[in-house]
Amino acid sequence: DTEVTQTPKHLVMGMTNKKSLKCEQHMGHRAMYWYKQKAKKPPELMFVYSYEKLSINESVPSRFSPECPNSSLLNLHLHALQPEDSALYLCASSQGQVGEKLFFGSGTQLSVL
Amino acid sequence: AQSVAQPEDQVNVAEGNPLTVKCTYSVSGNPYLFWYVQYPNRGLQFLLKYITGDNLVKGSYGFEAEFNKSQTSFHLKKPSALVSDSALYFCAVRDIKLTFGTGTQLKVEL
Repeated sequence: DTEVTQTPKHLVMGMTNKKSLKCEQHMGHRAMYWYKQKAKKPPELMFVYSYEKLSINESVPSRFSPECPNSSLLNLHLHALQPEDSALYLCASSQGQVGEKLFFGSGTQLSVL
Repeated sequence: AQSVAQPEDQVNVAEGNPLTVKCTYSVSGNPYLFWYVQYPNRGLQFLLKYITGDNLVKGSYGFEAEFNKSQTSFHLKKPSALVSDSALYFCAVRDIKLTFGTGTQLKVEL
């Protein structure tokens, strides 16, 4: 199994809603990532988990809250988002060593109304 | 800080012709360089990577990339383009995190 699975594929939410994005991998990878991508732009790193601990937070607003319940799962909890947060949210995983490639999921297309 | 630059927003090529998508890098030490491709409304797919060794790296779907240390370049190439190669291509550099270039839209026309 060389896949990173993200659910849901699409999400529409209001600015007062609370929702969660989910990501799962069964490749035994110890590093997991959240990226945000606007249309036709490069992905921007949000968070990195290494061995289930948050190792990088790229100064992301607190309305985004990551969680890594175990080595296979990664969640992104969303609360009080703004319309400008509408984007494709990508999850990725890797073995965690420098130089190793990242495996990406297909993403969750988020629209905030 | 490590970075990569993609000087072309878009590259157009006729099917069957060779294609090149350009990337230059700025790193301290040995570079870990990657190419990813993204089809519409999809995640990124790994094409190839350079760490050390041969300057010509072969990857998926017939793509290859040439590492040139003197020109600090890592251009993506394919000898004969297909319409199905049309997509958004990202060059990237990796240390602790993976940092992407701005992307190049490749359009292959019949």
